Amino acid sequence: NAGVMQNPRHLVRRRGQEARLRCSPMKGHSHVYWYRQLPEEGLKFMVYLQKENIIDESGMPKERFSAEFPKEGPSILRIQQVVRGDSAAYFCASSPPGTGGPKNIQYFGAGTRLSVL
Amino acid sequence: GDSVTQMEGPVTLSEEAFLTINCTYTATGYPSLFWYVQYPGEGLQLLLKATKADDKGSNKGFEATYRKETTSFHLEKGSVQVSDSAVYFCALHTNAGKSTFGDGTTLTVKP
Repeated sequence: NAGVMQNPRHLVRRRGQEARLRCSPMKGHSHVYWYRQLPEEGLKFMVYLQKENIIDESGMPKERFSAEFPKEGPSILRIQQVVRGDSAAYFCASSPPGTGGPKNIQYFGAGTRLSVL
Repeated sequence: GDSVTQMEGPVTLSEEAFLTINCTYTATGYPSLFWYVQYPGEGLQLLLKATKADDKGSNKGFEATYRKETTSFHLEKGSVQVSDSAVYFCALHTNAGKSTFGDGTTLTVKP
């Protein structure tokens, strides 16, 4: 059973370009979470999605950032018009259906490291 | 809102030393508490968890007890190894699915 797959592992963008980060959850998982880890800092929650629904996006910046988890295909975190401050590691995690809430365990991908030049 | 406060690092220990990494939290309701470990260049891996007060989570020699009265979930290990060198994150997960992580504590174990 493959784990959470994120791609690309490394992404380089120039200021003003768009960044698209992909996350394929573990097989059978229907809950996806995105986190950002800035250099020398901890993980910050960004958004929690279930298939075709955004459940909690309280950690998402109000502008330029969006996330989706379509019925088919991976979850996408999209950053428009990137700026240098967006440089960070972005981690995706997934959990199985029916276990959303405090007892669930989140399984993490290896992350996408975004560098904005 | 919810918050998790971890002992600041970095922490440097000699092999076989005793480890404690403090973690305290504030949350509404009754969250579950977790410790995750992150090795260089990798994502987080679950280390242990506790879902209710007085539960003790344990794995690979690490332990942590969910203390509701002190709102704490301190991580301990009796004898660390060089291979335990990593960043450790304390986290809470709530009913709503939202997760809050501490800032992480970097542990370096020297032979």
